Amino acid sequence: AQTVTQSQPEMSVQEAETVTLSCTYDTSESDYYLFWYKQPPSRQMILVIRQEAYKQQNATENRFSVNFQKAAKSFSLKISDSQLGDAAMYFCASLNYGGSQGNLIFGKGTKLSVKP
Amino acid sequence: NAGVTQTPKFQVLKTGQSMTLQCAQDMNHNSMYWYRQDPGMGLRLIYYSASEGTTDKGEVPNGYNVSRLNKREFSLRLESAAPSQTSVYFCASRPTGESPLHFGNGTRLTVT
Repeated sequence: AQTVTQSQPEMSVQEAETVTLSCTYDTSESDYYLFWYKQPPSRQMILVIRQEAYKQQNATENRFSVNFQKAAKSFSLKISDSQLGDAAMYFCASLNYGGSQGNLIFGKGTKLSVKP
Repeated sequence: NAGVTQTPKFQVLKTGQSMTLQCAQDMNHNSMYWYRQDPGMGLRLIYYSASEGTTDKGEVPNGYNVSRLNKREFSLRLESAAPSQTSVYFCASRPTGESPLHFGNGTRLTVT
């Protein structure tokens, strides 16, 4: 079965500092994709970044980057120069592709607080 | 471009009542999904529809039914609501392949 684990229920970071959110996953598929979603208090689910498993290069989107360790099945999110608007729930998710149903499986989330 | 639209945004039901959550997308996506979100549990898949005319159970389907009315619409029905179904419900859609999900804004349902 496909699983996604986020071991940090809550994290805190000082404004302008860097924080890393952890995620590990387990899948038997060879083709899969990984995502980080942000959910602010507005409840909206916002895609932050995505990573294709076949790509060795780590994805980057402005202040957001990932550390993708395929052998270790680890997919952490690094937020640089943290801003107050980064405060939210962050969900790691895995999508199997290539023969599977194509469902997105989510971790339980990490609540990020940003201190001014 | 509206994206994924869910109605209603809020709903309060009494135990045993029934209701249907509506979802529509205007992006011509093939796949549609219903998730529920509970504190400390993340998002769990209730049902999904890989294409028009097909539906399949997800992780937590008990107590729910779905209908993929056409390519645009995917509804979730609670036949006899229970307090355990108090949750925030999200509808999502995506095209084929590896594309990420596009989410609606959620429905907060309370069953008393």
